[in-house]
Amino acid sequence: DAGVIQSPRHEVTEMGQEVTLRCKPISGHNSLFWYRQTMMRGLELLIYFNNNVPIDDSGMPEDRFSAKMPNASFSTLKIQPSEPRDSAVYFCASSPVDGYTFGSGTRLTVV
Amino acid sequence: AQSVTQLGSHVSVSEGALVLLRCNYSSSVPPYLFWYVQYPNQGLQLLLKYTTGATLVKGINGFEAEFKKSETSFHLTKPSAHMSDAAEYFCAVGSGGYQKVTFGIGTKLQVIP
Repeated sequence: DAGVIQSPRHEVTEMGQEVTLRCKPISGHNSLFWYRQTMMRGLELLIYFNNNVPIDDSGMPEDRFSAKMPNASFSTLKIQPSEPRDSAVYFCASSPVDGYTFGSGTRLTVV
Repeated sequence: AQSVTQLGSHVSVSEGALVLLRCNYSSSVPPYLFWYVQYPNQGLQLLLKYTTGATLVKGINGFEAEFKKSETSFHLTKPSAHMSDAAEYFCAVGSGGYQKVTFGIGTKLQVIP
């Protein structure tokens, strides 16, 4: 089992550009979560899916953020346009029922 | 509604000493409780979890935690700290199923040689 796979590991982009983060959950896990981690706010839940359906997106900070899960093996988090305050580590996690498995994260830097 | 409070954002212990990281939770339903560890530049790794049954839960790397409903606590302990235990530790609470898990702010553990 390769675990939860996120790409890219690092992303540096200029303000105003579109950024797409990708996640492949563990096969058989029916829930997927996107988190953002910063020094100031810690771990924040952005959105989560169950069986590919968005259940709660109340943590998405602005309309600039969007997430999709077109099938059980792939999800994307898109920021358009990106801003410097979006700089953070973005984690994807998948879960069967009782405990997450996290990916290694994408470190996003918006300059 | 659910929440987690981790007491102490930084904890320092000497190598070989007891590790105690404190976590209190709030939940309107019977909780699922978790401890995760994060090493630098890595994702979070599950240390241990309590769902139902035995209240003393043993995890990886010699850690354990005890669910105390009367105190709404789930403190993490390890009898003897090792240098490799230096990391950030997160307590989390959930309610089972596919419901979201709420994380605490984290406690950074420093192990002094």
